Amino acid sequence: AQTVTQSQPEMSVQEAETVTLSCTYDTSESDYYLFWYKQPPSRQMILVIRQEAYKQQNATENRFSVNFQKAAKSFSLKISDSQLGDAAMYFCAYTQGGSEKLVFGKGTKLTVNP
Amino acid sequence: SQTIHQWPATLVQPVGSPLSLECTVEGTSNPNLYWYRQAAGRGLQLLFYSVGIGQISSEVPQNLSASRPQDRQFILSSKKLLLSDSGFYLCAWGPGTGPGRQQYFGPGTRLTVT
Repeated sequence: AQTVTQSQPEMSVQEAETVTLSCTYDTSESDYYLFWYKQPPSRQMILVIRQEAYKQQNATENRFSVNFQKAAKSFSLKISDSQLGDAAMYFCAYTQGGSEKLVFGKGTKLTVNP
Repeated sequence: SQTIHQWPATLVQPVGSPLSLECTVEGTSNPNLYWYRQAAGRGLQLLFYSVGIGQISSEVPQNLSASRPQDRQFILSSKKLLLSDSGFYLCAWGPGTGPGRQQYFGPGTRLTVT
């Protein structure tokens, strides 16, 4: 069974600084997709970024980028120029290619200090 | 554009009482629909998913059931609530076609069983 592990239950960062959230996953599949979702205090889940496993290039969305290490099964999220609005729970998730069913990690709570 | 609604937003129910949570999606047809539960300090656990009217797959055996009486309506039910049913319930939809499809989440329902 596929598993997703987020080893950092909590992280903190100073405003305007950079922070990296870790995620590892376990799968025997070659075709899969990885996601980072953000859950702010409102509890609404918002997609931050998506990575296709067959693409070697790391995905980037504005201040958010990933470091995808396929051989190591690692998928970390880097947030640059952190803003107060980035404070949230961040969930790493996996889905097998051709499927929509998501497997989530337990999340990392990010605090942004002014 | 597509929107997803959940109600109620919050619910406090006594142990042994019935439950009905509703989720509806607008702006799309034949979506895949999902129910997740998020317990305190945990990630999201997939409870049920549906690929069409009347088609329900259960991921975790439990005290809950799901139904899909219409294409864009997904209902989570219980005949008798347990204390362990407390949590945050999220409904999500996905387009059902294309690789690496993301899911779009509703605002959630906070259920407290007393």
